[in-house]
Amino acid sequence: SAVISQKPSRDICQRGTSLTIQCQVDSQVTMMFWYRQQPGQSLTLIATANQGSEATYESGFVIDKFPISRPNLTFSTLTVSNMSPEDSSIYLCSVALKGAQYFGPGTRLTVL
Amino acid sequence: EDKVVQSPLSLVVHEGDTVTLNCSYEVTNFRSLLWYKQEKKAPTFLFMLTSSGIEKKSGRLSSILDKKELFSILNITATQTGDSAVYLCAVEDNYGQNFVFGPGTRLSVLP
Repeated sequence: SAVISQKPSRDICQRGTSLTIQCQVDSQVTMMFWYRQQPGQSLTLIATANQGSEATYESGFVIDKFPISRPNLTFSTLTVSNMSPEDSSIYLCSVALKGAQYFGPGTRLTVL
Repeated sequence: EDKVVQSPLSLVVHEGDTVTLNCSYEVTNFRSLLWYKQEKKAPTFLFMLTSSGIEKKSGRLSSILDKKELFSILNITATQTGDSAVYLCAVEDNYGQNFVFGPGTRLSVLP
């Protein structure tokens, strides 16, 4: 299994600012995923981050708004840029390892 | 330490069978329990449960929560091949961890 930690666990931010969320995994993994969870809705995939290559963004998400770094096989960051209240959500990091998918605890973001 | 356990981890059934998936949890400050179905890229939300004993139903799927015994079950009746997926249980907590996901139950429904 994989143990995933995220920082911060929650934050309250002013509109127009940016927040970087960190995701740390206790195993080396090729594929890491960033999701957004709105209350009572399905998880929405933002992007897939493979080490050593550019992240692949899903429709509706762009690199300028959600830049991602993947410097090594155990770490990734997602930045939510120029935030607005519509970005208030829980952001989850996830990894695929040996045919299973594991999720981090999430970062609860509130934008005022 | 917060944790969510799902059983079985995998299950193979034939179309028309009824299945029950189990989720038990230990969490510091329970807020809700969520069930998801994952087939492809992103888990699809099925149910959110916050109160004990109230069954939630959607077509052939139903779920119920027991907050005293700290578990939930997801039932699927008259299974179809399209029900084949990984079913994830997650607990949302009010303090500390936002979500704790279980390992999932991989359901395969054979024709």
